[in-house]
Amino acid sequence: SAVISQKPSRDICQRGTSLTIQCQVDSQVTMMFWYRQQPGQSLTLIATANQGSEATYESGFVIDKFPISRPNLTFSTLTVSNMSPEDSSIYLCSVPTGQGEFYGYTFGSGTRLTVV
Amino acid sequence: AQSVTQPDIHITVSEGASLELRCNYSYGATPYLFWYVQSPGQGLQLLLKYFSGDTLVQGIKGFEAEFKRSQSSFNLRKPSVHWSDAAEYFCAVGRRNSGNTPLVFGKGTRLSVIA
Repeated sequence: SAVISQKPSRDICQRGTSLTIQCQVDSQVTMMFWYRQQPGQSLTLIATANQGSEATYESGFVIDKFPISRPNLTFSTLTVSNMSPEDSSIYLCSVPTGQGEFYGYTFGSGTRLTVV
Repeated sequence: AQSVTQPDIHITVSEGASLELRCNYSYGATPYLFWYVQSPGQGLQLLLKYFSGDTLVQGIKGFEAEFKRSQSSFNLRKPSVHWSDAAEYFCAVGRRNSGNTPLVFGKGTRLSVIA
């Protein structure tokens, strides 16, 4: 299955600033998913990133706040813009692996963001 | 649309006792079902998954889960819990034959293990 390198693993940021999170996959994948996990909560899908097209955002998430880039089939970034303490969460990327009947999902190790 | 319900927010068990974490799903067909574990400060680790065939699925770390179509359930079990099993457990559902759609997660169950 695919291996994902996600950076940074954690960061403490000042409110009003932006942080860009990177995910590098060791194989080419069509789709990449970005999730947010707020403290004590489950994973909520932010957006789906398809190489060569605009990301598709879930309800409650907008491109101006969470711009995503997907320049090729192995790399994607998520930026958390104009941060506030409410953005303190773990952010994870995920890619589907395998084919057809036996697919699965691989997750990055997560970025733990604290906004002060 | 798929949905997942984990009715128990927090469960405490004694070390060596058996464990069952509940998961109910909503999906129009037979889903793909997953259990993930997240230890404090760690990423998600896949425990097991169900695609088809035998409804009792064996996973890592001594975990197993049973798919019951009639009850729309996929409960996770372990016969004897170890202190290192203390973590957050997430049940998730995926759409059959579609790796291009994201997983939908339940809210998670936090497991505490006491001596």
